[in-house]
Amino acid sequence: DTGVSQDPRHKITKRGQNVTFRCDPISEHNRLYWYRQTLGQGPEFLTYFQNEAQLEKSRLLSDRFSAERPKGSFSTLEIQRTEQGDSAMYLCASSFGQGGIYEQYFGPGTRLTVT
Amino acid sequence: AQSVAQPEDQVNVAEGNPLTVKCTYSVSGNPYLFWYVQYPNRGLQFLLKYITGDNLVKGSYGFEAEFNKSQTSFHLKKPSALVSDSALYFCAVRDGPTDKLIFGTGTRLQVFP
Repeated sequence: DTGVSQDPRHKITKRGQNVTFRCDPISEHNRLYWYRQTLGQGPEFLTYFQNEAQLEKSRLLSDRFSAERPKGSFSTLEIQRTEQGDSAMYLCASSFGQGGIYEQYFGPGTRLTVT
Repeated sequence: AQSVAQPEDQVNVAEGNPLTVKCTYSVSGNPYLFWYVQYPNRGLQFLLKYITGDNLVKGSYGFEAEFNKSQTSFHLKKPSALVSDSALYFCAVRDGPTDKLIFGTGTRLQVFP
């Protein structure tokens, strides 16, 4: 399977704990995005990487959130001191981005439940 | 700011009948519009996109979308619905130089046998 993969698929954690999610994009894609989706809503943009550089962060991304893409390949999203409001589906997407308008390909998501 | 609106939370259609899922947009500059489908417990799958050119865009699984500049709409259509088309459909617009997507709230399509 050469699509976008995410790990874990599900995560249950207690409030106050830290969690980390991983995303492996399609190998030739240099652009990587993180989105958050809550029940009944469309995905909301969190952050964007071009290669290893984080070029945009949403205001939704509080100081408790941090994302990295150390070698321009996989990415991690960490949430520190989780809150119940962080419960959501976290989606990763990747795209090819050289001089055109390209669609994004999404992974299956990581569903986070904070108890 | 770029935005899209999906006025219908749910659309019901009988199998074999044509279906339409509505989307309107508000953008500054050229609109770059997308449709995605989401099946239960799965990520979003790309269906089609409009960049420029023909107002009728053909996509995956027999879906097409009609771009209408005067009505600022980008409705998703299919001539003959299948039960397996039942899913959540999202319209989205590209925003800014990073190509991030701004999504609508989604429309649940239910196709009855």
